[in-house]
Amino acid sequence: DAGVIQSPRHEVTEMGQEVTLRCKPISGHDYLFWYRQTMMRGLELLIYFNNNVPIDDSGMPEDRFSAKMPNASFSTLKIQPSEPRDSAVYFCASSLTSDYTGELFFGEGSRLTVL
Amino acid sequence: GQNIDQPTEMTATEGAIVQINCTYQTSGFNGLFWYQQHAGEAPTFLSYNVLDGLEEKGRFSSFLSRSKGYSYLLLKELQMKDSASYLCAVTDSNYQLIWGAGTKLIIKP
Repeated sequence: DAGVIQSPRHEVTEMGQEVTLRCKPISGHDYLFWYRQTMMRGLELLIYFNNNVPIDDSGMPEDRFSAKMPNASFSTLKIQPSEPRDSAVYFCASSLTSDYTGELFFGEGSRLTVL
Repeated sequence: GQNIDQPTEMTATEGAIVQINCTYQTSGFNGLFWYQQHAGEAPTFLSYNVLDGLEEKGRFSSFLSRSKGYSYLLLKELQMKDSASYLCAVTDSNYQLIWGAGTKLIIKP
């Protein structure tokens, strides 16, 4: 398996622009997680899906953030409008289980810089 | 509140042994993970402990004491490629994964 695939790897945009990050989980994994990582705050869970359904989005910072999973092999995280404080590395991860007793498989991340 | 404490940074010498500690205070406990993260890369799974004791996996071992809220990751025969951040994460009673800030390990020749 190719692992979790994220795109783009790097994104530089200006404040106010829309940003869309994409993720393809490992085939057969029913759970998909979006994380954000910064030096100040470490790894933060934004949202996770089970069988394409959002289960917990309490970590989504505000209404500017939205996530979708239209099918088992694709998810997007959208930020609109983007702000400089959104600059971070965004990781997508997938897992066979959601009860956090199983391994998370992370994608290589999307490094976002908002100017 | 829920809290996981790890040292921010540690330095060790190639070929030596290093122990990275993690203490946690969470609402319940359903397991503890260690992940390795090289600079600019994604975290990768190292170990999972749910029962007290030592789990050995090659050069890496992970220990857990639930009564003390304590774990450590032991790395033996250090290699330069072990330079990375090591993240401790705990699953609480609600099966939420709480992440530590990570320990940056620097290996010197």
